[in-house]
Amino acid sequence: EPEVTQTPSHQVTQMGQEVILRCVPISNHLYFYWYRQILGQKVEFLVSFYNNEISEKSEIFDDQFSVERPDGSNFTLKIRSTKLEDSAMYFCASSRSVANYGYTFGSGTRLTVV
Amino acid sequence: QKEVEQNSGPLSVPEGAIASLNCTYSDRVSQSFFWYRQYSGKSPELIMSIYSNGDKEDGRFTAQLNKASQYVSLLIRDSQPSDSATYLCAVLTGANNLFFGTGTRLTVIP
Repeated sequence: EPEVTQTPSHQVTQMGQEVILRCVPISNHLYFYWYRQILGQKVEFLVSFYNNEISEKSEIFDDQFSVERPDGSNFTLKIRSTKLEDSAMYFCASSRSVANYGYTFGSGTRLTVV
Repeated sequence: QKEVEQNSGPLSVPEGAIASLNCTYSDRVSQSFFWYRQYSGKSPELIMSIYSNGDKEDGRFTAQLNKASQYVSLLIRDSQPSDSATYLCAVLTGANNLFFGTGTRLTVIP
């Protein structure tokens, strides 16, 4: 069964450093998403991406965040200057039709900012 | 403001019983609803979707939707210890993304 692949599975970074979280969505999917989940809390929407541009972003997705689809297969989330409160599990998801199929999530990257 | 409300639990049921998980949503124009299961430390995985009022069955799972009451539920029949997880209700927004509730933690007691 096709999978959404995320790397790394765990990233530890110093506060103020830049991190890039990587995702390979399912190949025939057109819609891409990043969500985050702070430990013990809900799954929160960050950003959606379609047709090589951001479709929607949440209040969380401020100027410190950016997304890219650099080569037609990878989908990345960059956090420019990490803060302690950025520590969370970050999930990538993709879909070929959200209304019909929902999302397929990747296994997540646990980001720890120290 | 979108709201998807779920009882956080924990909900405990004995093995073999029916587990009933409930969700209410605030956005009247929502048309598509999803249930995800999330094991501790893992990513959400899709269980079922429902779009029309009434019941939809898939194996031991039944989703129920009542758009007039803005209510969606998930029944798990013959609950197994392996069903112990957090169940997330998600609603499709007008912007074509999913808005998740806080989840209900289910424990099935052997």
